[in-house]
Amino acid sequence: KAGVTQTPRYLIKTRGQQVTLSCSPISGHRSVSWYQQTPGQGLQFLFEYFSETQRNKGNFPGRFSGRQFSNSRSEMNVSTLELGDSALYLCASSLTGFQPQHFGDGTRLSIL
Amino acid sequence: TQLLEQSPQFLSIQEGENLTVYCNSSSVFSSLQWYRQEPGEGPVLLVTVVTGGEVKKLKRLTFQFGDARKDSSLHITAAQPGDTGLYLCAIDNYGQNFVFGPGTRLSVLP
Repeated sequence: KAGVTQTPRYLIKTRGQQVTLSCSPISGHRSVSWYQQTPGQGLQFLFEYFSETQRNKGNFPGRFSGRQFSNSRSEMNVSTLELGDSALYLCASSLTGFQPQHFGDGTRLSIL
Repeated sequence: TQLLEQSPQFLSIQEGENLTVYCNSSSVFSSLQWYRQEPGEGPVLLVTVVTGGEVKKLKRLTFQFGDARKDSSLHITAAQPGDTGLYLCAIDNYGQNFVFGPGTRLSVLP
């Protein structure tokens, strides 16, 4: 069974640009959650999508957004990038969102 | 939002030693998961504990859920270099999302 796939694995951007990250969940999983991981703040919840609807949202500014498609694949977008957005962005999927998460290996975003 | 604390923050030990890491919550939780994250990879689920006082074993790893459902511990017997990684605990935040602790970074030296 294929795991959670995140693309790209690495990304380098400059301040002010925008970026889109992609996540393909495990087949059959309908819940996709996004997390930001930094050395100082740890793993922080961004948002969760279920059946193409944002169901829960963490405490991040509106520059961070996402969406989910009918096949459960999800994208997150960060606009007007700031240096502090440099982080590992992790996607996790589960059947309905109330089970332990299955994580992808993340996208490491570096802002210059 | 429930808060999680983990201790110690860092731990460096020699191969063959035993160790225990802890996870504590500011309030009662219904279930708790332990994950291990290796460099360059995402966290991988090790175990879920649900019942107060529950003990689960996974080879050399022993997980315990506190009777009051506010804390948990992970004990590793005869640690090996392959146990090196970031150990994270996580709880269900009232059905809204999962809250993760800051993690314990374990280094097992050969």
